[in-house]
This record gives sequence, C-alpha cells and structure tokens, in this order.
Amino acid sequence: DQQVKQNSPSLSVQKGRISILNCDYTNSMFDYFLWYKKYPAEGPTFLISISSIKDKNEDGRFTVFLNKSAKHLSLHIVPSQPGDSAVYFCAAFYSGAGSYQLTFGKGTKLSVIP
Amino acid sequence: DVKVTQSSRYLVKRTGEKVFLECVQDMDHENMFWYRQDPGLGLRLIYFSYDVKMKEKGDIPEGYSVSREKKERFSLILESASTNQTSMYLCASSFHQLTGLKVQYFGPGTRLTVT
Repeated sequence: DQQVKQNSPSLSVQKGRISILNCDYTNSMFDYFLWYKKYPAEGPTFLISISSIKDKNEDGRFTVFLNKSAKHLSLHIVPSQPGDSAVYFCAAFYSGAGSYQLTFGKGTKLSVIP
Repeated sequence: DVKVTQSSRYLVKRTGEKVFLECVQDMDHENMFWYRQDPGLGLRLIYFSYDVKMKEKGDIPEGYSVSREKKERFSLILESASTNQTSMYLCASSFHQLTGLKVQYFGPGTRLTVT
C-alpha cells in the first residue's frame, strides 16, 4: 500500500516558467512533509519542508503548499531554471508512541528546458 | 556541514558473493539508514539503526543484514548477492531528537551491479 504517491513520473517545463510537482498521501497521521531533490549519481538533498499546522512554506524560489483536507501537497518552483532539473521526492513523516515513520514517494523527474 | 560518505561509488560483484557496503557519518548522528533506489520504485528502506548495536527492519530487509558496531559507521551486508539486488544503495543519517528525525542527510550512493 503506497502511502505517499507522486503520480507524475516526469515533468517538462520551459526555463522561467513555473514548475508544479504534486504529492498525495493517504495516512492522516502524517504531520510533517519534506521535499528532497536528487541529481544523478548523488544522494538526495533536503530542499524544503512544511508542518501540518501550516498550509504554506516559502524559501526563495521554492514554495510548498499543503491541503490537509485533500491530503495533497505541492512544490512550486518559480522561475524554473535548468539547474533545477533533477528527481524530486516527496516524503511524509509521522511520530508517536516511541516510533516514527518517514515514507518517500517514487519521485518525479523534472526537466527544465533552456 | 554534515558529511555522509559511502565506501564505493560503483561496485560490480558476482552472484553468490558476500558484499559489504560501508557508510560513515561525521555528525554524531544517532540514526542511520540504508535505502535502495530503483527506477519507478523510489526510495525503499532496507534497515535502520537508532543506536550502536541496534537495528530495525525496514520495508525490504530480505536478503540483507546490517552491522553497527560504532556510532559513526553503518554497514549493509548482502550475504549472497543476487541479480535482483542490482541497484543504487543510499545511506542516510539523522539526529535522534524529534526535530532532527525529520531531515535525513544522504551519502552519494553506491551503484551495485550483480552479474
């Protein structure tokens, strides 16, 4: 059962336009969400996160939106740059009763066309 | 800066060989993780460790074991490598405190090919 879903395996966007990457989750216990970025032959690096008590978090060109009722989050990159071309993983975090869980989606490959 | 290093970037092994993948972190993190990344399947957790000599199974532990004898080092062992273990293996670490649990720091990965 896939608890974190990134339904678009790939996305192509023109340089300077907005990139929107989507992520859906099924477990309502998740209370913190993260986006990681991964270049080929490198490990993922943390990009931006959002707590479930917020609906938006912004960091420069990157903004993450959370819609709890829809169990949906999205990452907006504006303006998109060629260096943003990478695989983006959505991750959801839950902690409670002495245990925790961090679940990753399958990733979306973003290609920014110069 | 957090640094997570993995012993090899590329590795080619034969079916049936015993394979050791080593991971070292320099930030005194309590937690360490091993994932594998496969096209279309994302990151899947194999094992993790929250303290020296402690280990927990992840989502896909079959065919793997781990060892954590020192805090900074976490080893993944393939007892008898098989071709379906050809993959990119990623090590990660994080603090134990709740705020630190959420963000994991990844190594560069080891591309393992089993022939």
